[in-house]
Amino acid sequence: KNEVEQSPQNLTAQEGEFITINCSYSVGISALHWLQQHPGGGIVSLFMLSSGKKKHGRLIATINIQEKHSSLHITASHPRDSAVYICAPIGDRGSTLGRLYFGRGTQLTVWP
Amino acid sequence: DTEVTQTPKHLVMGMTNKKSLKCEQHMGHRAMYWYKQKAKKPPELMFVYSYEKLSINESVPSRFSPECPNSSLLNLHLHALQPEDSALYLCASSLKLRGRIFWELFFGEGSRLTVL
Repeated sequence: KNEVEQSPQNLTAQEGEFITINCSYSVGISALHWLQQHPGGGIVSLFMLSSGKKKHGRLIATINIQEKHSSLHITASHPRDSAVYICAPIGDRGSTLGRLYFGRGTQLTVWP
Repeated sequence: DTEVTQTPKHLVMGMTNKKSLKCEQHMGHRAMYWYKQKAKKPPELMFVYSYEKLSINESVPSRFSPECPNSSLLNLHLHALQPEDSALYLCASSLKLRGRIFWELFFGEGSRLTVL
C-alpha cells in the first residue's frame, strides 16, 4: 500500500494553461514538501507547508490536513516548468518522525 | 549560500574500485542525508547524520560506508559495488536547532554513478 498517491502520473499542457497536481497521503504528517526534479537530477524544494496555502510567483500549494490532501497549482504554465513534481509528506511521530514519504511523481510537459 | 554541493557529478567505476562521493553545505545545517534514486523512481533514504553522528541507517549494504568528518561535509565511500547500485545519489541537508529539526530539505544536484 502506498502511503502517498499522486495524480496524474503524466500531464501535458499548452503554454499558458493552469495546472493542478494532486496528492493524497495516509500517514500522520508534520509538514509536506512539494519538490521539483528536472531531467538529469537535482531536486529543488518548492514548498514546505503544514497548513493552508503558500504562493511563490506562479506556484501555489494548498494543504488540507483533515482530508490528508494537498495540491500544487501552476498558473500561466511555461515550457521551463516541464519537470517531475513530487509530493513528499514528512512523518510526525515515533519511527516516522522526520521521514519523507515520496509520491511517485508527476511528469509535467508544457508545450510552447 | 543556500547550496548543497555534490561532487563528482558523474562517476563510472568498476566492481573492484574504491571511490567516494562528497557533499558539502555551508548553511549551518546539522542534519545531512544520503538518498539513492533509480530511474523513474522516487528517492530512497539511505543514511541520516545528526550533529555528525549516524542516526539512521536504512539497512544499507556495507559496501556503502558513510562518513561525516565535520558539520559541513558528508562523504559516501563506495567499495565492491554491483551494477545494480548504479543510480543517482542525492545528498540533502536540513537545519537542526536545539534538538528540533526544521524539515525543509535542501538537495544537491546529485552524483550519477555507473558501476560496470
